[in-house]
Amino acid sequence: SQQGEEDPQALSIQEGENATMNCSYKTSINNLQWYRQNSGRGLVHLILIRSNEREKHSGRLRVTLDTSKKSSSLLITASRAADTASYFCATVVRTSYGKLTFGQGTILTVHP
Amino acid sequence: SQTIHQWPATLVQPVGSPLSLECTVEGTSNPNLYWYRQAAGRGLQLLFYSVGIGQISSEVPQNLSASRPQDRQFILSSKKLLLSDSGFYLCAWSVPRHLSYEQYFGPGTRLTVT
Repeated sequence: SQQGEEDPQALSIQEGENATMNCSYKTSINNLQWYRQNSGRGLVHLILIRSNEREKHSGRLRVTLDTSKKSSSLLITASRAADTASYFCATVVRTSYGKLTFGQGTILTVHP
Repeated sequence: SQTIHQWPATLVQPVGSPLSLECTVEGTSNPNLYWYRQAAGRGLQLLFYSVGIGQISSEVPQNLSASRPQDRQFILSSKKLLLSDSGFYLCAWSVPRHLSYEQYFGPGTRLTVT
């Protein structure tokens, strides 16, 4: 089974609204990463949060990590139509040579 | 700056034919290299990873194989394709630095087996 599971599977919002996506995982991790994928394209790394961090910001992105609940959330503030994409969380466990285990992703649609 | 190339971008192959997908990375040395498959635009499945020339680890037993003949070249192959091999194949690289391991992905190859 997947290490990371995103929730919701799909999210539809209006431009200017905030979008929140959640990710849960099962085993202890070294770090958790969020990626974005535009339709039919490769993935783009957005942000990485280490297991000893609780919150991280990058531009309009805010990521939180709760290791006690084995969960993370990605918040995109003031969304734009260009944010429409699939978003994936991925975890790295400590002894994995950097192998990422991806969740199934959240499909975000931002309507102009 | 580093770049990653994959080719071809799209491929339509009949069942039973061979496969060779190539991935090359520029601007870095001794990268970790990864092959993923993505079905139906959703989650990625790690197929193979390599931490050095000739070192290949397989994650899922299947009809595919991988090779790393040069430091920055990673090849995905099959002797006989199955219908179930259809999907979007992504190559990625990472540099193990402070155990961060963020990965950088190529543009992908869309494979359709008919």
